[in-house]
Amino acid sequence: DGGITQSPKYLFRKEGQNVTLSCEQNLNHDAMYWYRQDPGQGLRLIYYSQIVNDFQKGDIAEGYSVSREKKESFPLTVTSAQKNPTAFYLCAIGDSNEQFFGPGTRLTVL
Amino acid sequence: GIQVEQSPPDLILQEGANSTLRCNFSDSVNNLQWFHQNPWGQLINLFYIPSGTKQNGRLSATTVATERYSLLYISSSQTTDSGVYFCAPVGTYKYIFGTGTRLKVLA
Repeated sequence: DGGITQSPKYLFRKEGQNVTLSCEQNLNHDAMYWYRQDPGQGLRLIYYSQIVNDFQKGDIAEGYSVSREKKESFPLTVTSAQKNPTAFYLCAIGDSNEQFFGPGTRLTVL
Repeated sequence: GIQVEQSPPDLILQEGANSTLRCNFSDSVNNLQWFHQNPWGQLINLFYIPSGTKQNGRLSATTVATERYSLLYISSSQTTDSGVYFCAPVGTYKYIFGTGTRLKVLA
């Protein structure tokens, strides 16, 4: 088994706390992506990484941080600076031809 | 940046009916994907279709890149087709998602 895994599936945090969402892949893809989805909306790109030790901001990077120390892993930290962090977060792998998504993490900030 | 418009925003069908979903985009793109998001949130790839027509079972898609639109056809709909359908044109490493078409298929 494998593919793209995200953990946890549901996450609750108090306002003001940083939280890190996990994304792991065993499909040997160079490129990984983080998206945010709000209710009734499409996906918006937060950060992406095309290769280890390199990443670029997407359209809504403020209040988020990432690292790419290993090819298999692309964790996303939602910082206390993110004004409205409650959302569904999706990780993806792929390239400009095709993307494949993980199951997502639903983050609720109380 | 590229603007994406999907129609209709909501669609209710009786099981067995056919439907056509439309995606308009505002600029030239390198690629386009259609996705189905199931009720649990999982995004499933349906088609990678920069141009032309593809078919997969009851689903088919057509992209006319020169006219900047793509169509997704669902035939003989089933309750398991319910969910949200997204098109995502691709710029340079960036997928631009529309707000989707929410489909509910009634038994």
